Amino acid sequence: GEDVEQSLFLSVREGDSSVINCTYTDSSSTYLYWYKQEPGAGLQLLTYIFSNMDMKQDQRLTVLLNKKDKHLSLRIADTQTGDSAIYFCAETPGTSYGKLTFGQGTILTVHP
Amino acid sequence: EAQVTQNPRYLITVTGKKLTVTCSQNMNHEYMSWYRQDPGLGLRQIYYSMNVEVTDKGDVPEGYKVSRKEKRNFPLILESPSPNQTSLYFCASSLLAETEAFFGQGTRLTVV
Repeated sequence: GEDVEQSLFLSVREGDSSVINCTYTDSSSTYLYWYKQEPGAGLQLLTYIFSNMDMKQDQRLTVLLNKKDKHLSLRIADTQTGDSAIYFCAETPGTSYGKLTFGQGTILTVHP
Repeated sequence: EAQVTQNPRYLITVTGKKLTVTCSQNMNHEYMSWYRQDPGLGLRQIYYSMNVEVTDKGDVPEGYKVSRKEKRNFPLILESPSPNQTSLYFCASSLLAETEAFFGQGTRLTVV
């Protein structure tokens, strides 16, 4: 079945760049997503990338997709304390419409 | 405002007492789904629905039921809740199966 893996923790200093990594197993994935969850809140879609793209940039966010290695990353430039949250990588399997498979989530802590 | 609304936000109940968590979306989305979030496990899909009267099991459907009698509503039913169903539940909807999902604010359920 599909599997999505993320490292659990990342700690950075304010102003630095953060890079959150994700690997997945389903080579037929169509869309890949990054969601942000702040404490006590629901999930907020940050950005997504279609599987035929290599990169997508959206203001401070850069998504890189290496389809050969099944590796997805999210770079946050000039990280702020307000970026502290849990970040989930997710994919839509190519064979299971209507389904999202999530990673375990990466807890990003930004220190002043 | 486009949104997915879940009720209740918090619920404490006793083992065996039937309960329903409601989910409603105002975006005319065809696809809706339910997830549970547990620490260290990310989000796991319980059930999803591709359209009215069409529902399918996700990864962890045991102990849950759903119905989709109208496009906007997708209630989650626990006929006989047990303590291992204590979790944070999210409802989501999307326009198409492969496009981004919008999430509700979550329902924190405790079964004692």
